[in-house]
Amino acid sequence: LAKTTQPISMDSYEGQEVNITCSHNNIATNDYITWYQQFPSQGPRFIIQGYKTKVTNEVASLFIPADRKSSTLSLPRVSLSDTAVYYCLVGDRDYGGATNKLIFGTGTLLAVQP
Amino acid sequence: DTGVSQDPRHKITKRGQNVTFRCDPISEHNRLYWYRQTLGQGPEFLTYFQNEAQLEKSRLLSDRFSAERPKGSFSTLEIQRTEQGDSAMYLCASSLGGSVWDNEQFFGPGTRLTVL
Repeated sequence: LAKTTQPISMDSYEGQEVNITCSHNNIATNDYITWYQQFPSQGPRFIIQGYKTKVTNEVASLFIPADRKSSTLSLPRVSLSDTAVYYCLVGDRDYGGATNKLIFGTGTLLAVQP
Repeated sequence: DTGVSQDPRHKITKRGQNVTFRCDPISEHNRLYWYRQTLGQGPEFLTYFQNEAQLEKSRLLSDRFSAERPKGSFSTLEIQRTEQGDSAMYLCASSLGGSVWDNEQFFGPGTRLTVL
């Protein structure tokens, strides 16, 4: 089971680009890297997922180097509403039964200030 | 709103009482998950259903916990003889499945349980 390590907290200001890096040295060949966002008193929300190189959607970009031992979530021009906990996940998967439970760490608390 | 819903949103109970939570997943999703989250921690997996079949249970799920998903639609999570250590946010998630690589789960707002 791949374990992830990410900073406990980060601070930023409105309008800045924020990069949150996650290390996952023991990632398995078939594992995808997934990021979730969670606001207080709400369930987590899927942000982005990737396998290698770069993935971009309307809210974020995900950069994954060739060795896949780390990944970086990039949030362009953050606003106050981006203040949340961000989780980096490498799924635990039962290949036979296709169980797909998510394994969350403690995440990174991003605080965006005006 | 066609998202995942959970009921109740908050539950306060006394130690030793039984509680039951309900989750209504997104209608076309055949996979349903229960997680538990305590303050300052990420959610922890409890159990997983594919349609009506409960395919996996975490070792965290003691004998006091039971979950069902009759007819593959809504699900219930029951905790018997609650203990103070059961106080947490209980989250339900659903996903469409169909792919081994399906990591996009849709979470409900959670049920916050407080055991006095």
